[in-house]
Amino acid sequence: NAGVTQTPKFRILKIGQSMTLQCAQDMNHNYMYWYRQDPGMGLKLIYYSVGAGITDKGEVPNGYNVSRSTTEDFPLRLELAAPSQTSVYFCASSRRASRDEQYFGPGTRLTVT
Amino acid sequence: ILNVEQSPQSLHVQEGDSTNFTCSFPSSNFYALHWYRWETAKSPEALFVMTLNGDEKKKGRISATLNTKEGYSYLYIKGSQPEDSATYLCASTFGNEKLTFGTGTRLTIIP
Repeated sequence: NAGVTQTPKFRILKIGQSMTLQCAQDMNHNYMYWYRQDPGMGLKLIYYSVGAGITDKGEVPNGYNVSRSTTEDFPLRLELAAPSQTSVYFCASSRRASRDEQYFGPGTRLTVT
Repeated sequence: ILNVEQSPQSLHVQEGDSTNFTCSFPSSNFYALHWYRWETAKSPEALFVMTLNGDEKKKGRISATLNTKEGYSYLYIKGSQPEDSATYLCASTFGNEKLTFGTGTRLTIIP
């Protein structure tokens, strides 16, 4: 049982490039989330999904896109990377939405230069 | 946007001492309150999820209380140890789907 996995661990992008951050969970959780961590700001929700085929915006969705074609996978797409997207990105999942604890992946550290 | 506030921002505590910190959240439409421990270079791990007013939860030397009527939760650590050094995050929710996190309390235990 690997829990929540994320790839890559680190990435450097040039301004204007695109990339996909991968997230997968093997706990059969319906709910999955993408957060970004900015210094002194805690975790901000980018997008979330309540099940395969269903996604919704969080607090800071601009510049990102998501898809959820399977229960296991929830990739985050960055189009036209900007320096403001330099951050650490965490994927998380939970069984029953907000009354259940969230399980976090190890994070992806992204630098846009 | 739900406003979740934590205080203090940072705290230094002598090893062996006990400590506590606060999470404040809007009391209207409360659904759940989460506490997470976040060690440096790792990812957040859940400590407690609380839903009922008056709830008290305990895990080893760490405990938490919840007051949903006045919108606050306390996290207590008894007899602090160096391994307790971490950032402690709380998060609350208006509805059933997503959490709003506070900015955390960074705890440093001084040996």
